[in-house]
Amino acid sequence: KAGVTQTPRYLIKTRGQQVTLSCSPISGHRSVSWYQQTPGQGLQFLFEYFSETQRNKGNFPGRFSGRQFSNSRSEMNVSTLELGDSALYLCASSLAQGSQSGYTFGSGTRLTVV
Amino acid sequence: AQSVTQPDIHITVSEGASLELRCNYSYGATPYLFWYVQSPGQGLQLLLKYFSGDTLVQGIKGFEAEFKRSQSSFNLRKPSVHWSDAAEYFCAVGGNQGGKLIFGQGTELSVKP
Repeated sequence: KAGVTQTPRYLIKTRGQQVTLSCSPISGHRSVSWYQQTPGQGLQFLFEYFSETQRNKGNFPGRFSGRQFSNSRSEMNVSTLELGDSALYLCASSLAQGSQSGYTFGSGTRLTVV
Repeated sequence: AQSVTQPDIHITVSEGASLELRCNYSYGATPYLFWYVQSPGQGLQLLLKYFSGDTLVQGIKGFEAEFKRSQSSFNLRKPSVHWSDAAEYFCAVGGNQGGKLIFGQGTELSVKP
């Protein structure tokens, strides 16, 4: 059974650009969550999607957005990149909304903003 | 406020020694508790989870954790550490209202030969 797939694994962007990250959940999983991991702030929740609807949102500026498609694949977009957006972005999938289903994480996308 | 505290930023143990990583949480509703492990440059791997029932939970790789509601703790233990256990360990809490997990700052484990 394939795990959670995140693409690309590494990305280098310039300040002011925008970026799109992709996440393919485990087959049959309908919930996708996104997290940002930095040395200073640790792991912070960005948002959760379930059945193509955003169900939960963390405390991030509007430059961070996401969406989910009918096949449960999800993308997150960061516009007008800032140096502080450099981070490991992790995607997690679960069978259903809510923690009890358990979460499986992907290997992440390492974004570097220069 | 909802939070998770892992008091130890870095722990070093000798190979073969026992291990206990501490985790305290603050959560207003019934907590769902998790321990994840992360190797450098990798994602998070679930070690174990607690939702309800028996307060001693067994996980993968020989890890276990005990939920103590009175102490708001969910400490991770392993009786004998292997060199391959060197990694960063994260405790997390969530609920049944949505997919948001709140993570602790992590504990980095080093293993001495």
